Amino acid sequence: NAGVMQNPRHLVRRRGQEARLRCSPMKGHSHVYWYRQLPEEGLKFMVYLQKENIIDESGMPKERFSAEFPKEGPSILRIQQVVRGDSAAYFCASSPRSDGPNYGYTFGSGTRLTVV
Amino acid sequence: SQQGEEDPQALSIQEGENATMNCSYKTSINNLQWYRQNSGRGLVHLILIRSNEREKHSGRLRVTLDTSKKSSSLLITASRAADTASYFCATVKAAGNKLTFGGGTRVLVKP
Repeated sequence: NAGVMQNPRHLVRRRGQEARLRCSPMKGHSHVYWYRQLPEEGLKFMVYLQKENIIDESGMPKERFSAEFPKEGPSILRIQQVVRGDSAAYFCASSPRSDGPNYGYTFGSGTRLTVV
Repeated sequence: SQQGEEDPQALSIQEGENATMNCSYKTSINNLQWYRQNSGRGLVHLILIRSNEREKHSGRLRVTLDTSKKSSSLLITASRAADTASYFCATVKAAGNKLTFGGGTRVLVKP
């Protein structure tokens, strides 16, 4: 039973390029949460998605960032026109239920984005 | 500001000693959770304590929750070098739909 899979593990992008981060939830999990972690800091909530729906995007920057979780395939976090400040570790977590926060998350190993 | 704030930010102890870290939060919660993060890795769920619970144990871990003071503590007994990691508390607000994390406590256990 594979855990939450994120790829790539490391991603280097030049300023102005696009970054696409993928998250495949655990089998049977239809709820996905994306978090961003700056060095030496805690995780900051970005977005909560259920299959084909964005449930809560209160932590997403208003511009350049978007997320989707299609009916088939992984969840994608897309960052357009990356800037140095986007350099961070991006983690995804999944849950089989809408009240998943009340039972704990399973996290992936993260994608470390470096913008040069 | 963050919902959860850990204290201390960093902790260095000898193997075999106990490690205690605290977490304070601001709003009413449904539950509070502790996670561990090894360097460069994802977070691992350690323990969850609900708002109507005061203490919980799991192996060498002991968690307390004081809702009147809006604070929690995590105690790791008889620490091992493998316990070296960052520890984060996370809260779920009443009727909330997501976890909110604190800034973490970095624990170094010296052999």
